[in-house]
Amino acid sequence: EVQLVESGGGLVKPGGSLRLTCAASGFTLSNAYMNWVRQAPGKGLEWVGLIKSKSDRGTTEYAAPVSGRFTISRDDSKNTLYLQMDSLKTEDTAVYYCSAYGSGRFDWGQGTLVTVSS
Amino acid sequence: DIVMTQSPDSLAVSLGERATIHCKSSQSVLYSSNNNNYVAWYQQKPGQPPKLLIYWVSARESGVPDRFSGSGSGTDFTLTISSLQAEDVAVYYCHQYYSRPYTFGQGTKLEIK
Repeated sequence: EVQLVESGGGLVKPGGSLRLTCAASGFTLSNAYMNWVRQAPGKGLEWVGLIKSKSDRGTTEYAAPVSGRFTISRDDSKNTLYLQMDSLKTEDTAVYYCSAYGSGRFDWGQGTLVTVSS
Repeated sequence: DIVMTQSPDSLAVSLGERATIHCKSSQSVLYSSNNNNYVAWYQQKPGQPPKLLIYWVSARESGVPDRFSGSGSGTDFTLTISSLQAEDVAVYYCHQYYSRPYTFGQGTKLEIK
């Protein structure tokens, strides 16, 4: 059974940094396209970015609002995905979900809340 | 970017009646090489992550009741709940994963009349 568990959320000041972690089990993370999706309080879903599978060279792509500030990476030895968030803005406040794509469908974690506020 | 537009924004349906939610994409999400439309539908209840209901337009996720069905092709898609149950009260989102950036509809809030 696929399980994704996010952690690392919390309160951070504008301009600060935070690293989110997504621990995967039940599958090999490096074989999947791994995504981050966020949801601001009371708002809809917004795709943040992804890292491709190892066979597709693990390249990354990002949504325009976070490009240049956020970095997605993974540690294959730990089967873990990361989202490094720098230069955080108040508008980055959201629940952040990791999501694994395979065979046309997505599995989702429970999410972790990031609050950017002074 | 592909814009996904859902209608209506909110919907009230009586228990046991049919609920229909529409989603229109600003361009085709049909991948010709495999004839799959890259559209999914999610259900989200307060305080919970999105739950996958339907992928590839009409493939029902394992464990999802068969009262949920998806249809459409190209740019027009529909989620149908054939007989509304109380536990179906939620916000529903369509999602295109045909091209990046992946995008979602704005959500449809479904309530009991």
